[in-house]
Amino acid sequence: GQQVMQIPQYQHVQEGEDFTTYCNSSTTLSNIQWYKQRPGGHPVFLIQLVKSGEVKKQKRLTFQFGEAKKNSSLHITATQTTDVGTYFCAGGNNDMRFGAGTRLTVKP
Amino acid sequence: EAQVTQNPRYLITVTGKKLTVTCSQNMNHEYMSWYRQDPGLGLRQIYYSMNVEVTDKGDVPEGYKVSRKEKRNFPLILESPSPNQTSLYFCASTRGLAGRNEQFFGPGTRLTVL
Repeated sequence: GQQVMQIPQYQHVQEGEDFTTYCNSSTTLSNIQWYKQRPGGHPVFLIQLVKSGEVKKQKRLTFQFGEAKKNSSLHITATQTTDVGTYFCAGGNNDMRFGAGTRLTVKP
Repeated sequence: EAQVTQNPRYLITVTGKKLTVTCSQNMNHEYMSWYRQDPGLGLRQIYYSMNVEVTDKGDVPEGYKVSRKEKRNFPLILESPSPNQTSLYFCASTRGLAGRNEQFFGPGTRLTVL
């Protein structure tokens, strides 16, 4: 079945440094979603990418969907302490597959 | 306020004692789903429901049951809990297909089975 892999598992950065998490699927995805989970919280939807090669930006966050629709990335420019949390990618239709997540910590 | 609610939020129980975790949404969403979250494994789907009386297995359905008698409610039933079901559980709902629309998650239920 479809598998979604995400790296790295952990990332610790100094405030102001950039951060990137990568997501790879074993099968072609119709679209991909990204979620953020703050410590002690629940996942919250960030964005959805649908088109091959699509790039979307939300302030300091840049999301990319690969040309083959099998990989995606989330890049945060100049991290802030408010970016702390775990970032998940997810793909599927009704049977959703989530990556294991990348846990980001930011040192002030 | 649009939301997904879960009860209880925390539960400690013993092996074999049947329990139910309730989930309710007030957004009139067709799709509802249960996930479990374990360290290093991310979110794994247990069961999902595309509408009333329509349920299907996710990735890890063994040891769980669900029902969808009303659109707003989607309870998760553990008939005979075991320690390997100790986990953080999330209910989620969405309009239409989960993969095409934003999923709204409940606050989570932390379950410990002794």
